[in-house]
Amino acid sequence: ETGVTQSPTHLIKTRGQQVTLRCSSQSGHNTVSWYQQALGQGPQFIFQYYREEENGRGNFPPRFSGLQFPNYSSELNVNALELDDSALYLCASSSDGKINGEQYFGPGTRLTVT
Amino acid sequence: GNSVTQMEGPVTLSEEAFLTINCTYTATGYPSLFWYVQYPGEGLQLLLKATKADDKGSNKGFEATYRKETTSFHLEKGSVQVSDSAVYFCARAAYSGAGSYQLTFGKGTKLSVIP
Repeated sequence: ETGVTQSPTHLIKTRGQQVTLRCSSQSGHNTVSWYQQALGQGPQFIFQYYREEENGRGNFPPRFSGLQFPNYSSELNVNALELDDSALYLCASSSDGKINGEQYFGPGTRLTVT
Repeated sequence: GNSVTQMEGPVTLSEEAFLTINCTYTATGYPSLFWYVQYPGEGLQLLLKATKADDKGSNKGFEATYRKETTSFHLEKGSVQVSDSAVYFCARAAYSGAGSYQLTFGKGTKLSVIP
């Protein structure tokens, strides 16, 4: 069984640029959630994708967008990068029908905006 | 709303000391509760969970009991090891619809165990 993988591991971008982060879900999982973890803070929910549709969104502006593909992998896109977007971006996968909300996390992508 | 409050760190303990990290949650319904651990430079790993009141989650010597009456889910370990040094996050599940959930996390508590 393959766990959750994310790419790239690290990324450095300039303010105003756009970035795409990628996530492959754990085998058998059809739901992907994205979280932003600023330094020294807990992860904050960005949004969730279920069967290729956005299914829940946290308090993030529209310049944060995403996609989910038929194989359940997912992308997080961030436009017009700001310095405050510097963070660890975590992807988590889960399976619908589970009532205990258990999610499995990938290792994260560390984004630095300069 | 859905929120989680956990004790501020950092916490520094000697090896074999007793550990308690407090966590309380807002009581909208009966959410599943979790403790996640994050080792330096890594993502989050599920440590333990409890899905209903009075459930006790346990793993690797860590325990936490779902207390509905006090809306708490405190993490405990009887004898910590240097290898337990990490950041610990308490989290609650919130229903997102279509059978899926999002997690709301506390701010994390950094634990350092010294030999």
